[in-house]
Order: sequence, then structure tokens, then C-alpha cells
Amino acid sequence: QKEVEQDPGPLSVPEGAIVSLNCTYSNSAFQYFMWYRQYSRKGPELLMYTYSSGNKEDGRFTAQVDKSSKYISLFIRDSQPSDSATYLCAMGEFNSNYQLIWGAGTKLIIKP
Amino acid sequence: DSGVTQTPKHLITATGQRVTLRCSPRSGDLSVYWYQQSLDQGLQFLIQYYNGEERAKGNILERFSAQQFPDLHSELNLSSLELGDSALYFCASSPSGGADEQFFGPGTRLTVL
Repeated sequence: QKEVEQDPGPLSVPEGAIVSLNCTYSNSAFQYFMWYRQYSRKGPELLMYTYSSGNKEDGRFTAQVDKSSKYISLFIRDSQPSDSATYLCAMGEFNSNYQLIWGAGTKLIIKP
Repeated sequence: DSGVTQTPKHLITATGQRVTLRCSPRSGDLSVYWYQQSLDQGLQFLIQYYNGEERAKGNILERFSAQQFPDLHSELNLSSLELGDSALYFCASSPSGGADEQFFGPGTRLTVL
């Protein structure tokens, strides 16, 4: 079993829909969580960074962490065709080795 | 623009050859990370350097090596190249070696023929 599981998709939704992207993980020591967006063949860019449990909102994006269920989510409101990309989750634990563990990425397609 | 630069953008070479990929981190960042991403695959962490010292190693092959120089730029050396080494190679940087967000460069696309 991988440490971080992420459905590769593709996930196809109509423009304007609310999108929910998810990752599950097995390591209860993970304490910080990130979502990156990667356009085709480009470098990933950081969207959201959350620490421990709870929600964080930034514009149309909301990141949610449920440590009891070992589950994180990224919600995109009022989705736009420009949101079409691959979304990668990444997470890590506070110790001497701060390696990020990455999900495989979910390909999202927003249909106009 | 993340502030991380990578050269070259594209590299085409033959099996058995050796190449060097270069990365300049964001101004002030001390950590550099190297990742490999094969077609339609996730990011595979290769190696991390912090302020000139190797900090962490991932799934890096023995044919691959890296270093970080005093000016903090980093180079990834790939030798005895095989067809399966064809991939996007990303460099990322972060302010420290801790729980920082990583900022990615545009990548180097390596094609081994």
C-alpha cells in the first residue's frame, strides 16, 4: 500500500461546478499538507499549504484536512476551463527528514 | 514565475551518454530538491541538498549523482543513460530544509534515444 493514495482520474466536470479532489494517507505522523497544480509538462505550483487539521480558504480554493480519517481534500468553487490541470497532494512530518510524500496526481478537465 | 531556473529546457542524447542538468534556486533559498517525472507518472523524489550538504536521498539510481555548490546552485549528473531515463527532471527549492513549501522550476525534458 502506498503512503499516499490519489485517484489519477481523469475527472471531467462542467464549467462552474464545484470540484472535490481527495487524497488518503496511511502515516498518522503527517502534519503538514500541500496541494500543487501542474499544467501539462510544466513545473508544479503550490496552491495551498495547511498544517494539522482544519480548513483553509484562498479565493475559490478550500483545503480541508481530516487527520482522524487520514483524508485531505481540495475544493474548487466556480470551476473554470483554466483550472484544467493535474492536482498533486503532498504531505510530510515534522522530524529531521522533511521529505514530502507525493500523491500520483488527479487529472482534472473542466468542460466549457 | 517561481524564481527557480533550470537549464537546459530540452536535452536529446543517446544511450550510454552522460548529461548534466543545472538548477539555480530562488534567491535566499538554501535547499534544492531534484525530482524525476516520467510520462503520465507522479513525481519521484531523487535527492535533496541543504546549504551544500546532502540532506535526503530518495529513489536515486547509482548512475545519478548531484551536488550543490557554494553559490547554492545545483547540478544533477546522469550517466550511462538508458531509454528509461527519458523524463522531465524538476528542481525545486525551499528556504530551509524543514517543512517549507517547495517552489519548482520549469523542468528539463530529457530524451534518450
